[in-house]
Amino acid sequence: AQSVTQLDSHVSVSEGTPVLLRCNYSSSYSPSLFWYVQHPNKGLQLLLKYTSAATLVKGINGFEAEFKKSETSFHLTKPSAHMSDAAEYFCVVSEGNTGFQKLVFGTGTRLLVSP
Amino acid sequence: SAVISQKPSRDICQRGTSLTIQCQVDSQVTMMFWYRQQPGQSLTLIATANQGSEATYESGFVIDKFPISRPNLTFSTLTVSNMSPEDSSIYLCSVDRGPYNEQFFGPGTRLTVL
Repeated sequence: AQSVTQLDSHVSVSEGTPVLLRCNYSSSYSPSLFWYVQHPNKGLQLLLKYTSAATLVKGINGFEAEFKKSETSFHLTKPSAHMSDAAEYFCVVSEGNTGFQKLVFGTGTRLLVSP
Repeated sequence: SAVISQKPSRDICQRGTSLTIQCQVDSQVTMMFWYRQQPGQSLTLIATANQGSEATYESGFVIDKFPISRPNLTFSTLTVSNMSPEDSSIYLCSVDRGPYNEQFFGPGTRLTVL
């Protein structure tokens, strides 16, 4: 079965510094991988997705992630953090290679951004 | 993408009662999904609802506790039955709309059981 491990439950950065949120996955198939963001008291928003077209994936709000098969990683990065980036981030893998795909969520990383 | 609404947005309920949560999508979809997010936790899939058939439940979730209806291609309900404080969670519905099966989520229903 597919699974994801988010290596940090909390990450703290200063505004203007780089962001790195780490994610490792386990998959029996060629996986589809996603990053979702959840702002306080708001719903989940899709940040970006990897679907085997390109290993470096660009998402919304300046975020990007690189798929590294040899390391089974899909880390999320951003060159310069903004205060508005403070939120919970979920790394997600889809399970199933045909038909609909069930999403398996990581435990989440809370990003804290200080002035 | 998809525009998804949920009702109610939040509720406070008494132990032993039931609450039905509605999920409405702005266009027809085949699959709808219901998730639970317990306080401070990640999302767990409760069940998958396909129009015209019984919902498929994940391990640990049963139909008697979480009955689901899917009367048409734009609407679904989830009922949380005989509630206890342990059912206090955010319940989210989602739909599978993207070309790579990415899911889009509703805003969630925040349930508190006293």
